[in-house]
Amino acid sequence: DIQMTQSPSSLSASVGDRVTITCRASQGISNYLAWYQQKPGKVPKLLIYAASTLQSGVPSRFSGSGSGTDFTLTISTLQPEDVATYYCQEYNSAPYNFGQGTKLEIK
Amino acid sequence: EVHLAQSGAEVKKPGESLKISCKGSGYSFTSSWIGWVRQMPGKGLEWMGIIYPGDSDTRYSPSFQGQVTISVDQSINTAYLQWSSLKASDSAIYYCAREGDDNWGYFDYWGQGTLVTVSS
Repeated sequence: DIQMTQSPSSLSASVGDRVTITCRASQGISNYLAWYQQKPGKVPKLLIYAASTLQSGVPSRFSGSGSGTDFTLTISTLQPEDVATYYCQEYNSAPYNFGQGTKLEIK
Repeated sequence: EVHLAQSGAEVKKPGESLKISCKGSGYSFTSSWIGWVRQMPGKGLEWMGIIYPGDSDTRYSPSFQGQVTISVDQSINTAYLQWSSLKASDSAIYYCAREGDDNWGYFDYWGQGTLVTVSS
């Protein structure tokens, strides 16, 4: 199995800040990486797939980058509605494991 | 519009069996993999397995192999997740989700979740 490790596990930032979350795969996964957002008490929502392709309807302040083993999710200008837990997921080879999540809060 | 409708919350006792469902609509049900994801209380997302409704090809995570069964009924566009003998540790929210149109592995649409509570 491929293990996915996110950092940090939690972070607190101010509205308007640039926020970066990192995801590392235990082996190379090319660009087979997705990011999801889960707001408290809600269903997970796909933000990005293929490491950097924004899902339709997702605000352009979200972006993804990376290839191989190291990936990042960036929120360019943090908004109050971005409070959520963010998960990466590899889909290079089953089982398509998720990272442990990064909980994002507003200062 | 793609929609995945899951069955309602369940309260069961340890040792009981359970089958929860996920009905797809708004797309070609037999052409997209459907997966199941567990979320234990206060915890992260865990990929359990996927099934291709077109031919019932199924893949399980080693963590869930032998613990659950994933199945599908094409005739009614419904996927299932079942347990033969529940444990308290099976208490969680279970989501079904559809892989994107390209069937690469990420989930683009999710069901609303089914809360399963196992308690004596």
